[in-house]
Amino acid sequence: AQSVTQLGSHVSVSEGALVLLRCNYSSSVPPYLFWYVQYPNQGLQLLLKYTSAATLVKGINGFEAEFKKSETSFHLTKPSAHMSDAAEYFCAVSSDTGRRALTFGSGTRLQVQP
Amino acid sequence: GAGVSQSPSNKVTEKGKDVELRCDPISGHTALYWYRQRLGQGLEFLIYFQGNSAPDKSGLPSDRFSAERTGESVSTLTIQRTQQEDSAVYLCASSLVGRPLTDTQYFGPGTRLTVL
Repeated sequence: AQSVTQLGSHVSVSEGALVLLRCNYSSSVPPYLFWYVQYPNQGLQLLLKYTSAATLVKGINGFEAEFKKSETSFHLTKPSAHMSDAAEYFCAVSSDTGRRALTFGSGTRLQVQP
Repeated sequence: GAGVSQSPSNKVTEKGKDVELRCDPISGHTALYWYRQRLGQGLEFLIYFQGNSAPDKSGLPSDRFSAERTGESVSTLTIQRTQQEDSAVYLCASSLVGRPLTDTQYFGPGTRLTVL
Protein backbone atom coordinates (compact mmCIF):
# COMPACT_ATOMS: atom_id res chain seq x y z
CA ALA A 1 0.00 0.00 0.00
CA GLN A 2 1.08 3.56 -0.53
CA SER A 3 0.31 6.61 1.57
CA VAL A 4 1.19 10.26 1.98
CA THR A 5 1.44 12.34 5.14
CA GLN A 6 1.43 16.10 5.02
CA LEU A 7 2.59 17.62 8.28
CA GLY A 8 0.65 20.73 9.16
CA SER A 9 -2.84 21.32 7.84
CA HIS A 10 -2.21 25.08 8.00
CA VAL A 11 1.02 26.99 7.41
CA SER A 12 1.33 30.75 7.69
CA VAL A 13 4.31 32.73 6.41
CA SER A 14 5.08 36.38 5.84
CA GLU A 15 5.38 37.74 2.33
CA GLY A 16 8.99 37.30 1.23
CA ALA A 17 9.70 34.49 3.69
CA LEU A 18 10.68 30.93 2.87
CA VAL A 19 7.86 28.51 2.16
CA LEU A 20 8.33 24.92 3.34
CA LEU A 21 5.50 22.43 3.02
CA ARG A 22 6.27 18.94 4.24
CA CYS A 23 5.37 15.66 2.60
CA ASN A 24 6.41 12.17 3.62
CA TYR A 25 5.41 9.09 1.68
CA SER A 26 5.22 5.39 2.23
CA SER A 27 5.59 2.97 -0.66
CA SER A 28 6.90 -0.56 -0.96
CA VAL A 29 8.21 0.14 -4.47
CA PRO A 30 9.86 3.21 -6.04
CA PRO A 31 7.33 6.01 -5.99
CA TYR A 32 6.31 8.79 -8.31
CA LEU A 33 5.53 11.99 -6.43
CA PHE A 34 3.47 15.05 -7.23
CA TRP A 35 2.53 18.40 -5.78
CA TYR A 36 -0.77 19.92 -6.84
CA VAL A 37 -2.13 23.35 -5.87
CA GLN A 38 -5.74 24.37 -5.51
CA TYR A 39 -6.46 28.08 -5.64
CA PRO A 40 -9.78 29.29 -4.21
CA ASN A 41 -12.70 28.31 -6.43
CA GLN A 42 -10.45 26.63 -8.97
CA GLY A 43 -9.53 23.06 -9.87
CA LEU A 44 -6.28 21.42 -8.84
CA GLN A 45 -3.26 22.30 -10.93
CA LEU A 46 0.04 20.43 -11.15
CA LEU A 47 2.99 22.30 -9.61
CA LEU A 48 5.66 19.68 -10.22
CA LYS A 49 6.31 15.96 -10.32
CA TYR A 50 9.10 13.47 -9.70
CA THR A 51 9.16 10.48 -12.03
CA SER A 52 12.58 8.97 -11.25
CA ALA A 53 14.76 11.43 -13.17
CA ALA A 54 16.49 14.29 -11.31
CA THR A 55 15.81 14.27 -7.57
CA LEU A 56 15.51 18.08 -7.45
CA VAL A 57 12.42 19.02 -9.38
CA LYS A 58 11.57 22.57 -10.39
CA GLY A 59 7.97 23.53 -10.96
CA ILE A 60 5.87 26.51 -11.83
CA ASN A 61 5.74 29.79 -9.91
CA GLY A 62 9.21 29.34 -8.41
CA PHE A 63 8.42 26.19 -6.43
CA GLU A 64 10.73 23.21 -6.20
CA ALA A 65 10.87 19.91 -4.36
CA GLU A 66 13.58 17.40 -3.60
CA PHE A 67 13.05 13.65 -3.52
CA LYS A 68 14.98 12.18 -0.59
CA LYS A 69 14.69 8.42 -0.55
CA SER A 70 16.55 8.04 2.75
CA GLU A 71 14.04 10.32 4.45
CA THR A 72 11.02 9.19 2.37
CA SER A 73 10.28 12.86 1.84
CA PHE A 74 9.30 15.20 -0.97
CA HIS A 75 9.06 18.60 0.70
CA LEU A 76 7.94 21.63 -1.33
CA THR A 77 9.87 24.89 -1.04
CA LYS A 78 9.89 28.40 -2.43
CA PRO A 79 12.54 30.92 -1.38
CA SER A 80 10.25 33.93 -1.17
CA ALA A 81 6.48 33.77 -0.63
CA HIS A 82 4.13 35.96 -2.61
CA MET A 83 0.59 36.86 -1.67
CA SER A 84 -0.64 34.97 -4.72
CA ASP A 85 0.80 31.72 -3.31
CA ALA A 86 -2.05 31.51 -0.79
CA ALA A 87 -3.81 28.28 -1.65
CA GLU A 88 -4.17 24.65 -0.63
CA TYR A 89 -1.33 22.33 -1.56
CA PHE A 90 -1.65 18.58 -1.98
CA CYS A 91 1.13 16.02 -2.13
CA ALA A 92 0.36 12.79 -3.99
CA VAL A 93 2.08 9.48 -4.66
CA SER A 94 1.70 6.72 -7.19
CA SER A 95 3.60 3.48 -7.61
CA ASP A 96 3.47 0.31 -9.60
CA THR A 97 1.50 -1.69 -7.08
CA GLY A 98 -1.38 -2.43 -9.39
CA ARG A 99 -3.52 0.52 -8.36
CA ARG A 100 -3.81 2.88 -11.31
CA ALA A 101 -4.36 6.00 -9.27
CA LEU A 102 -2.82 8.73 -7.21
CA THR A 103 -3.00 8.67 -3.43
CA PHE A 104 -3.33 12.18 -2.06
CA GLY A 105 -2.40 13.68 1.28
CA SER A 106 -4.94 15.64 3.27
CA GLY A 107 -3.56 18.98 2.10
CA THR A 108 -1.83 22.01 3.61
CA ARG A 109 -3.44 25.41 3.48
CA LEU A 110 -0.83 28.14 3.00
CA GLN A 111 -1.57 31.63 4.25
CA VAL A 112 0.70 34.51 3.29
CA GLN A 113 0.66 37.49 5.60
CA PRO A 114 1.52 40.97 4.28
CA GLY B 1 -8.12 25.65 -24.94
CA ALA B 2 -11.04 24.49 -22.84
CA GLY B 3 -10.28 22.70 -19.63
CA VAL B 4 -12.17 19.96 -17.81
CA SER B 5 -15.72 21.01 -17.07
CA GLN B 6 -18.17 19.55 -14.58
CA SER B 7 -21.86 20.02 -14.03
CA PRO B 8 -23.68 20.94 -11.97
CA SER B 9 -21.32 23.04 -9.88
CA ASN B 10 -23.58 22.57 -6.87
CA LYS B 11 -26.20 19.94 -6.13
CA VAL B 12 -28.42 19.76 -3.08
CA THR B 13 -30.52 16.63 -2.76
CA GLU B 14 -32.57 14.77 -0.21
CA LYS B 15 -31.43 11.55 1.37
CA GLY B 16 -32.52 8.59 -0.69
CA LYS B 17 -32.63 10.39 -4.04
CA ASP B 18 -30.40 9.49 -6.99
CA VAL B 19 -27.97 12.02 -8.46
CA GLU B 20 -25.96 12.21 -11.67
CA LEU B 21 -22.76 14.18 -11.96
CA ARG B 22 -21.25 14.98 -15.32
CA CYS B 23 -17.68 15.46 -16.47
CA ASP B 24 -16.47 16.74 -19.85
CA PRO B 25 -12.74 16.00 -20.19
CA ILE B 26 -10.26 17.92 -22.30
CA SER B 27 -10.73 16.97 -25.93
CA GLY B 28 -8.35 14.20 -26.97
CA HIS B 29 -7.62 13.02 -23.43
CA THR B 30 -7.98 9.27 -23.27
CA ALA B 31 -7.90 8.83 -19.51
CA LEU B 32 -10.49 10.11 -17.04
CA TYR B 33 -10.55 9.91 -13.25
CA TRP B 34 -13.13 10.56 -10.57
CA TYR B 35 -12.18 11.58 -7.03
CA ARG B 36 -14.12 12.56 -3.92
CA GLN B 37 -12.97 15.25 -1.50
CA ARG B 38 -14.67 15.33 1.86
CA LEU B 39 -14.43 18.47 3.95
CA GLY B 40 -10.93 18.89 5.37
CA GLN B 41 -9.62 15.75 3.73
CA GLY B 42 -7.51 14.85 0.74
CA LEU B 43 -8.77 13.50 -2.52
CA GLU B 44 -10.08 9.94 -2.48
CA PHE B 45 -9.81 7.98 -5.73
CA LEU B 46 -13.06 6.51 -7.03
CA ILE B 47 -12.60 5.20 -10.58
CA TYR B 48 -10.33 5.44 -13.62
CA PHE B 49 -11.35 5.15 -17.29
CA GLN B 50 -9.10 4.38 -20.21
CA GLY B 51 -11.29 5.17 -23.19
CA ASN B 52 -14.70 3.85 -22.24
CA SER B 53 -13.48 0.94 -20.15
CA ALA B 54 -12.73 1.11 -16.44
CA PRO B 55 -9.56 -0.83 -15.59
CA ASP B 56 -9.69 0.34 -12.00
CA LYS B 57 -12.91 0.94 -10.11
CA SER B 58 -11.50 -0.17 -6.79
CA GLY B 59 -12.24 3.15 -5.12
CA LEU B 60 -16.01 3.08 -5.54
CA PRO B 61 -17.23 2.98 -1.92
CA SER B 62 -20.35 0.91 -2.44
CA ASP B 63 -22.63 -0.54 -5.10
CA ARG B 64 -24.68 2.65 -4.90
CA PHE B 65 -21.91 4.32 -6.89
CA SER B 66 -21.49 3.69 -10.61
CA ALA B 67 -19.87 5.50 -13.51
CA GLU B 68 -19.81 5.26 -17.25
CA ARG B 69 -18.02 6.96 -20.08
CA THR B 70 -19.03 7.44 -23.68
CA GLY B 71 -16.03 6.75 -25.90
CA GLU B 72 -13.28 9.20 -25.00
CA SER B 73 -15.76 11.85 -24.05
CA VAL B 74 -18.29 12.60 -21.37
CA SER B 75 -18.47 10.63 -18.15
CA THR B 76 -21.28 10.46 -15.63
CA LEU B 77 -21.00 9.41 -12.00
CA THR B 78 -24.27 8.18 -10.55
CA ILE B 79 -25.00 7.86 -6.87
CA GLN B 80 -28.17 5.96 -6.04
CA ARG B 81 -30.12 6.31 -2.80
CA THR B 82 -27.85 9.08 -1.56
CA GLN B 83 -26.78 9.16 2.07
CA GLN B 84 -25.55 12.08 4.13
CA GLU B 85 -22.03 10.65 4.14
CA ASP B 86 -21.99 11.09 0.35
CA SER B 87 -21.81 14.86 0.85
CA ALA B 88 -18.50 15.96 -0.64
CA VAL B 89 -16.93 17.68 -3.61
CA TYR B 90 -16.66 15.28 -6.55
CA LEU B 91 -13.72 16.04 -8.79
CA CYS B 92 -13.03 14.82 -12.28
CA ALA B 93 -9.65 14.84 -13.99
CA SER B 94 -8.37 13.83 -17.39
CA SER B 95 -4.96 13.05 -18.83
CA LEU B 96 -3.67 12.74 -22.36
CA VAL B 97 -2.32 9.27 -22.77
CA GLY B 98 -3.43 7.08 -19.93
CA ARG B 99 -0.32 6.40 -17.90
CA PRO B 100 -1.98 7.00 -14.56
CA LEU B 101 1.20 6.56 -12.56
CA THR B 102 3.06 9.46 -14.18
CA ASP B 103 0.63 11.50 -16.28
CA THR B 104 -0.23 15.05 -15.38
CA GLN B 105 -3.90 15.08 -14.49
CA TYR B 106 -6.00 18.13 -15.35
CA PHE B 107 -8.78 18.73 -12.87
CA GLY B 108 -12.21 20.23 -13.24
CA PRO B 109 -13.66 22.66 -10.68
CA GLY B 110 -15.75 19.95 -9.03
CA THR B 111 -19.37 19.38 -8.12
CA ARG B 112 -20.28 20.14 -4.53
CA LEU B 113 -22.90 17.59 -3.43
CA THR B 114 -24.93 18.20 -0.30
CA VAL B 115 -27.27 15.47 0.91
CA LEU B 116 -29.84 16.70 3.41
